[in-house]
Amino acid sequence: ETGVTQTPRHLVMGMTNKKSLKCEQHLGHNAMYWYKQSAKKPLELMFVYNFKEQTENNSVPSRFSPECPNSSHLFLHLHTLQPEDSALYLCASSPSLAANTGELFFGEGSRLTVL
Amino acid sequence: AQKVTQAQTEISVVEKEDVTLDCVYETRDTTYYLFWYKQPPSGELVFLIRRNSFDEQNEISGRYSWNFQKSTSSFNFTITASQVVDSAVYFCALRDNTGGFKTIFGAGTRLFVKA
Repeated sequence: ETGVTQTPRHLVMGMTNKKSLKCEQHLGHNAMYWYKQSAKKPLELMFVYNFKEQTENNSVPSRFSPECPNSSHLFLHLHTLQPEDSALYLCASSPSLAANTGELFFGEGSRLTVL
Repeated sequence: AQKVTQAQTEISVVEKEDVTLDCVYETRDTTYYLFWYKQPPSGELVFLIRRNSFDEQNEISGRYSWNFQKSTSSFNFTITASQVVDSAVYFCALRDNTGGFKTIFGAGTRLFVKA
């Protein structure tokens, strides 16, 4: 079992659908992240949670709604998305924001296609 | 402002060749961390190395080596005697104290190693 698990691995949705991406980490970390990876673009940080509190919203459109009920789980709720939102969504965790190490542990990503 | 530049979009080599992946960074902080991650076809980014700004010693780990030079703001990654399994996208990343410990990634370099 990997340290960070994302489901579903693949998702196809229409622009009017509502769906959610789930991330679970088994590493005892306290910080969790959503990154978006589009073709030919750098990884874009979307949201950061530290001890369940959102500390970063990188100007993400409101059609993406994150939820962090506890330090082990992170959700990304999707609603009325656009085709340009099609991308690989990567979840990551780290011990905490203030930890000096700073390396991130990633899941395998959820490949989203918006039709 | 934080910035990470990986000028090489794609590199193709033949097995057993040595290959160097370039990374140039920008930061105003004196304390920062540099990372390299590998993204195989499965999708998850795998942490390879972390370097802090006060440690300019080069590091070698098996066939991998890293050259950190503050004078040129570079953190280059060399794979010696490349293998087909090294084929992946490699990301250089920077984490500093600006803006809440965000980790910023370069655009990545896709490495093809042909048998």
